[in-house]
Amino acid sequence: GENVGLHLPTLSVQEGDNSIINCAYSNSASDYFIWYKQESGKGPQFIIDIRSNMDKRQGQRVTVLLNKTVKHLSLQIAATQPGDSAVYFCAETSDTGRRALTFGSGTRLQVQP
Amino acid sequence: DGGITQSPKYLFRKEGQNVTLSCEQNLNHDAMYWYRQDPGQGLRLIYYSQIVNDFQKGDIAEGYSVSREKKESFPLTVTSAQKNPTAFYLCASSIEGSQLQYFGPGTRLTVT
Repeated sequence: GENVGLHLPTLSVQEGDNSIINCAYSNSASDYFIWYKQESGKGPQFIIDIRSNMDKRQGQRVTVLLNKTVKHLSLQIAATQPGDSAVYFCAETSDTGRRALTFGSGTRLQVQP
Repeated sequence: DGGITQSPKYLFRKEGQNVTLSCEQNLNHDAMYWYRQDPGQGLRLIYYSQIVNDFQKGDIAEGYSVSREKKESFPLTVTSAQKNPTAFYLCASSIEGSQLQYFGPGTRLTVT
């Protein structure tokens, strides 16, 4: 089921450090996962995605890791910059059934200059 | 300039009034979605449409209605039956066969 919380967990890092944002998902049938970045008052922006037949995927400064055994997803941001400050959401979906995204509750990343 | 547009950015209504939120896309995407976001929370699915003239309820459809008369448009009506309508509403779309959704800028609705 969906884990919705009133208070977002916050990760505070220094500029230049690496950041790791974690996400636990609940549906073992999910086969596609997306990380979105949402700045205040804006719509979510796509960062990176991964299918369940992979356990790692790299983009520019970002890496997503998927551990299907424990239903865990992580987003690693290298050399974090102030512009990375935002709320990050993971989303999951399955290629069967409803095919709509289920979102996690999000993590706020604060980058200290 | 391609993308998803939502208008207006801010919307204010009195309790008891219906209000319609606009969502338009020129990406030629087949599927469109409406989500609601409350402060400090993730997105929850209201309605979605995989094809013109067809739509399905999401997880929190009560008090909302939609139509999909054109491929590029998917308006959401927040009715007076919705008990807590004040929220940030996000529209998204995806191409046929893809699960990746692209989001519009959102409409913040305040009902007093």
